Amino acid sequence: GAVVSQHPSWVICKSGTSVKIECRSLDFQATTMFWYRQFPKQSLMLMATSNEGSKATYEQGVEKDKFLINHASLTLSTLTVTSAHPEDSSFYICSASQGRRWQFFGPGTRLTVL
Amino acid sequence: ELKVEQNPLFLSMQEGKNYTIYCNYSTTSDRLYWYRQDPGKSLESLFVLLSNGAVKQEGRLMASLDTKARLSTLHITAAVHDLSATYFCAVALDQGAQKLVFGQGTRLTINP
Repeated sequence: GAVVSQHPSWVICKSGTSVKIECRSLDFQATTMFWYRQFPKQSLMLMATSNEGSKATYEQGVEKDKFLINHASLTLSTLTVTSAHPEDSSFYICSASQGRRWQFFGPGTRLTVL
Repeated sequence: ELKVEQNPLFLSMQEGKNYTIYCNYSTTSDRLYWYRQDPGKSLESLFVLLSNGAVKQEGRLMASLDTKARLSTLHITAAVHDLSATYFCAVALDQGAQKLVFGQGTRLTINP
């Protein structure tokens, strides 16, 4: 149980375009989802916390107008990288929370912006 | 501000040897996690430690927590090549919170 999926698993786009990444909890309802970014050989940095039906809470230094998060249902959250630039290239990982104790991580989405 | 520091950041060891990864954190928390990440993959949950003195073991990995020292250890016993990965500790931001702060990660390479 507690499976989280992400789609797509990898994406290559041109600079200036927007990319949407989906995060789904497949077998449980997640009241909270988290979005992380991981640069090569670095740790995970929390970008934002997403609660179903409410606005996401962004970490300091994360531009909310650039990284649009929508948590429309208890099983789906989306991250849209708007007007992507090469410096946005990274590994984006979502996690979904079932209660307070565990976060279950998705497989990640590798974004490359040319 | 909660800071989480791991050491060592890189560890190369031989099969059959024992070693320990350390995770220090700067403020009180009620949960500490250990995760494993293989190259190009997401995180696999290993352990959650909730109380002072907690010890959890799975196969060749054993994790412990000392909340007074704000220190957790991940001990590897008789390492095998399959344990090669990057290991992260993560600490809950504060009591009752869901937000996690991750350590830098320890890249473990186990050589035959």
